[in-house]
Amino acid sequence: QKEVEQDPGPLSVPEGAIVSLNCTYSNSAFQYFMWYRQYSRKGPELLMYTYSSGNKEDGRFTAQVDKSSKYISLFIRDSQPSDSATYLCAMSDDNTNAGKSTFGDGTTLTVKP
Amino acid sequence: DGGITQSPKYLFRKEGQNVTLSCEQNLNHDAMYWYRQDPGQGLRLIYYSQIVNDFQKGDIAEGYSVSREKKESFPLTVTSAQKNPTAFYLCASRLTGAATEAFFGQGTRLTVV
Repeated sequence: QKEVEQDPGPLSVPEGAIVSLNCTYSNSAFQYFMWYRQYSRKGPELLMYTYSSGNKEDGRFTAQVDKSSKYISLFIRDSQPSDSATYLCAMSDDNTNAGKSTFGDGTTLTVKP
Repeated sequence: DGGITQSPKYLFRKEGQNVTLSCEQNLNHDAMYWYRQDPGQGLRLIYYSQIVNDFQKGDIAEGYSVSREKKESFPLTVTSAQKNPTAFYLCASRLTGAATEAFFGQGTRLTVV
């Protein structure tokens, strides 16, 4: 079983919809939780970075971490066609592990105009 | 502009040949990483380096080699021993220390013909 499991998708929604992307994990040592957005044939770019449990909001994006359930989510409000991409969750324990991250397999999102 | 530059963007290699992928960064980051991404999958760590002249194997290092002679550069050689080298290769860098973002290059797509 993988350390990080991500809802596989693909996901297709109409413009303006609320999108929920989810990952579960098994390693209780993970403390840093990231969401990356990756456009086709490009490198990933960091969207959200959260330490430990709680919520973090940035514009239309909200990241939630529930360490007790080992579950993280990314919500996108008022989704736009430009949000169409693959979203990768990633996690790491702490800096003593050289900042290495474990990635989910990604969820491909298409937002239709 | 600061960033990470990977070259070339596309690379074709004949079976049995070694090939070297370039990664250069001008962000003054200490740590650099090489990941491999296969279709529908997340990123898997090949090698990483936290300091010049030092590097460690990641999860899938077999058939790959790296060097870190300069802080700015972390080239990856895909050797003939790598049984399935066709993939998208991503280089990343970050400042060492907790809670720091990893920046990715735009990737090199390697195809073995």
